[in-house]
Amino acid sequence: EAQVTQNPRYLITVTGKKLTVTCSQNMNHEYMSWYRQDPGLGLRQIYYSMNVEVTDKGDVPEGYKVSRKEKRNFPLILESPSPNQTSLYFCASSSGLYTDTQYFGPGTRLTVL
Amino acid sequence: GENVEQHPSTLSVQEGDSAVIKCTYSDSASNYFPWYKQELGKRPQLIIDIRSNVGEKKDQRIAVTLNKTAKHFSLHITETQPEDSAVYFCALSDRGSTLGRLYFGRGTQLTVWP
Repeated sequence: EAQVTQNPRYLITVTGKKLTVTCSQNMNHEYMSWYRQDPGLGLRQIYYSMNVEVTDKGDVPEGYKVSRKEKRNFPLILESPSPNQTSLYFCASSSGLYTDTQYFGPGTRLTVL
Repeated sequence: GENVEQHPSTLSVQEGDSAVIKCTYSDSASNYFPWYKQELGKRPQLIIDIRSNVGEKKDQRIAVTLNKTAKHFSLHITETQPEDSAVYFCALSDRGSTLGRLYFGRGTQLTVWP
């Protein structure tokens, strides 16, 4: 089954404790993105990647890091989480060949205390 | 980055009525315009999209129209049903220079009353 998976789905952590949210897709998609969703603000792109070893900043990259060492994986790293990073995070992928249809993962609800 | 304005932020309609959500944008290079539906607690899912060389696209009760001159595009839902209740997001991209970059509106909470 074609899908985008994220782990963990829920996470409560404390300020300053490094964490990684994993994202994996099995559709051989070249393009992968991370978004955060906050009430009233919609979906804002954090980082995106057009291919292995190619990443670029989105609208709200501060406080986040990403890496794309393999085509299928695109982890989101919070080196020193802060309470303003409490949010719902979605990973997405797209083939980019003819369509920009983005397939979203199930989401990760992160709370930083 | 591109600024996408989406209106209204909330919309309540009676079952069977039509619903229209409109988005405006500023970058004339934008050429791909998808709409996503997000049900409560679920992930966003694409419901319809349109490219800049097309003025209108229909899929059963859902249609999208695009006015490139005025830089706005709209989602039309006819014969609304309670299961249409969700948050709807417009988005756009410029596949020419920013592949993978998608800009979203802030969303419209649609409620369909039985």
